[in-house]
Amino acid sequence: DGGITQSPKYLFRKEGQNVTLSCEQNLNHDAMYWYRQDPGQGLRLIYYSQIVNDFQKGDIAEGYSVSREKKESFPLTVTSAQKNPTAFYLCASSIRGRTDGYTFGSGTRLTVV
Amino acid sequence: DQQVKQNSPSLSVQEGRISILNCDYTNSMFDYFLWYKKYPAEGPTFLISISSIKDKNEDGRFTVFLNKSAKHLSLHIVPSQPGDSAVYFCAASRDSNSGYALNFGKGTSLLVTP
Repeated sequence: DGGITQSPKYLFRKEGQNVTLSCEQNLNHDAMYWYRQDPGQGLRLIYYSQIVNDFQKGDIAEGYSVSREKKESFPLTVTSAQKNPTAFYLCASSIRGRTDGYTFGSGTRLTVV
Repeated sequence: DQQVKQNSPSLSVQEGRISILNCDYTNSMFDYFLWYKKYPAEGPTFLISISSIKDKNEDGRFTVFLNKSAKHLSLHIVPSQPGDSAVYFCAASRDSNSGYALNFGKGTSLLVTP
């Protein structure tokens, strides 16, 4: 079955450490996205990528970095510069140019301890 | 600045009755609107969508209405079932250099009681 996989489901990080969240899809989608969900804040766009080796900042990119070396993979690094990293992170993918076909992963909950 | 607004954080409805979830948007460039449903600790799943050239789209128990002049859309669920209890996100997009990334509202938590 095709789908999008995020790992790990739960992640704990010490303050000052970088951490990388994994997102892999086998849907042959060109576009991939990272959103962050906080209570009462909805989903806010961090980074997105329409094609391999290209990505753009979203609304809240500060303190985050991404790479898109392969079509299937779009890892998100939460750096120590991110002041409030504790949140639920969602990865999504879609056919490029299509907004009705977002497929979301099951999310990673990151907690800073 | 929030371009998609869901002003009701929560809604409680009795089983069998109609649930009406509302959404407002500010960007007149938006031309495609979607509703997603989300359970706790899971990713959102697509529910129903509507293009700006239509004012209504129906799929089973779910109907979305779009009022472009008021920049308002609503999701109607009839009849409501306990399994509909979830957070519902309204989303909007435009065909532009935004890269087709969806703008989401803050969500409305729907509780359907037996």
